[in-house]
Amino acid sequence: TQLLEQSPQFLSIQEGENLTVYCNSSSVFSSLQWYRQEPGEGPVLLVTVVTGGEVKKLKRLTFQFGDARKDSSLHITAAQTGDTGLYLCAGARGNEKLTFGTGTRLTIIP
Amino acid sequence: DTAVSQTPKYLVTQMGNDKSIKCEQNLGHDTMYWYKQDSKKFLKIMFSYNNKELIINETVPNRFSPKSPDKAHLNLHINSLELGDSAVYFCASSQDFDRVRSGANVLTFGAGSRLTVL
Repeated sequence: TQLLEQSPQFLSIQEGENLTVYCNSSSVFSSLQWYRQEPGEGPVLLVTVVTGGEVKKLKRLTFQFGDARKDSSLHITAAQTGDTGLYLCAGARGNEKLTFGTGTRLTIIP
Repeated sequence: DTAVSQTPKYLVTQMGNDKSIKCEQNLGHDTMYWYKQDSKKFLKIMFSYNNKELIINETVPNRFSPKSPDKAHLNLHINSLELGDSAVYFCASSQDFDRVRSGANVLTFGAGSRLTVL
């Protein structure tokens, strides 16, 4: 059973457009992290959210943690080719290990 | 200096062989991990060590044996390689295990070791 489902699985959009990707679960998480992974590299942390309803901004990226702490979204404004990569959410539940989501592969077309 | 470095980056070998992947971190972190990323990019934890002690051991075949000589190193040895072992293996570290649970800390990953079993 996959605890964290990400959607869409694949997304290709033109440079300059906006997009939102989602990370959903039926379980409550104490915290949630977003990572970006580029080809040939390991995932790199973008943000951690810990409070239900929390919104964090990182330049053109806006992260939101759901009120019930079961889901999260990542919105990118005016996408750039440098945003291309695999976006992974990862959640921690109580005393359990960090669990990664299924990933969204984002391609920004010049 | 690379924070988490793993070698080799690429490994191509025949079925039945034994191989090792090495990992070192210079961040002073207490906890290290091995993750496996399959062809669908799903990242799954295999093992975790905290100060040289095994704290997570997922359902992984006995052919996989991690070894941590000190808290800065975590190596992965794989015996009798099978086709299904082909994947990218990532080493990662965190300041300590409890902080990862609480969300107050993060994982730093290496660049990955792509294993291809022929």
